[in-house]
Amino acid sequence: KNQVEQSPQSLIILEGKNCTLQCNYTVSPFSNLRWYKQDTGRGPVSLTIMTFSENTKSNGRYTATLDADTKQSSLHITASQLSDSASYICVVSGVIQGAQKLVFGQGTRLTINP
Amino acid sequence: DVKVTQSSRYLVKRTGEKVFLECVQDMDHENMFWYRQDPGLGLRLIYFSYDVKMKEKGDIPEGYSVSREKKERFSLILESASTNQTSMYLCASSLTSASGSSYNEQFFGPGTRLTVL
Repeated sequence: KNQVEQSPQSLIILEGKNCTLQCNYTVSPFSNLRWYKQDTGRGPVSLTIMTFSENTKSNGRYTATLDADTKQSSLHITASQLSDSASYICVVSGVIQGAQKLVFGQGTRLTINP
Repeated sequence: DVKVTQSSRYLVKRTGEKVFLECVQDMDHENMFWYRQDPGLGLRLIYFSYDVKMKEKGDIPEGYSVSREKKERFSLILESASTNQTSMYLCASSLTSASGSSYNEQFFGPGTRLTVL
């Protein structure tokens, strides 16, 4: 079954601390993987995209890694800020039953406390 | 900047009412999508469209229909709203790449939170 599993479901950390969010997927064949940030009451916004050949990609304080062999990705947030409080969604694009499809993870709800 | 707008942020309707959710994008994108988002379930694709007057069923099309009469506008229709359609509805749009893939970055609207009483 083509799935995207994210962990943890929720996470609370103090402002200034680092954190890592995990995404495991079984989608195969794989095209690309995106991390989206969704603020409360807003639509998701893309943070990074990674293709099969990329191991790491950064966007400011956000760094995504990809291990296509183990089908795992992580999103590392450095020196967290209050504005990082949001849901983070992992989305994998692949060919499922002959058609290109997106498979969404359930998201990790991150709360940054002052 | 791509802008995807949705007609309402919050909507309250009664069971059996016909509901229209409108979505407009201003970047001449070919592809448009309607999702619903429920706690613990993530985003689920209802319908998508890759061209004017074209539509394709997503994973959960039952109880919904769509209309795309103009390239920039994609409407989601609930013919007879039911309480189990209470949800957050997200519209998205994307370009079609030179390779023909429709799965470039999707740009999302702010969402419509629909409550059906």
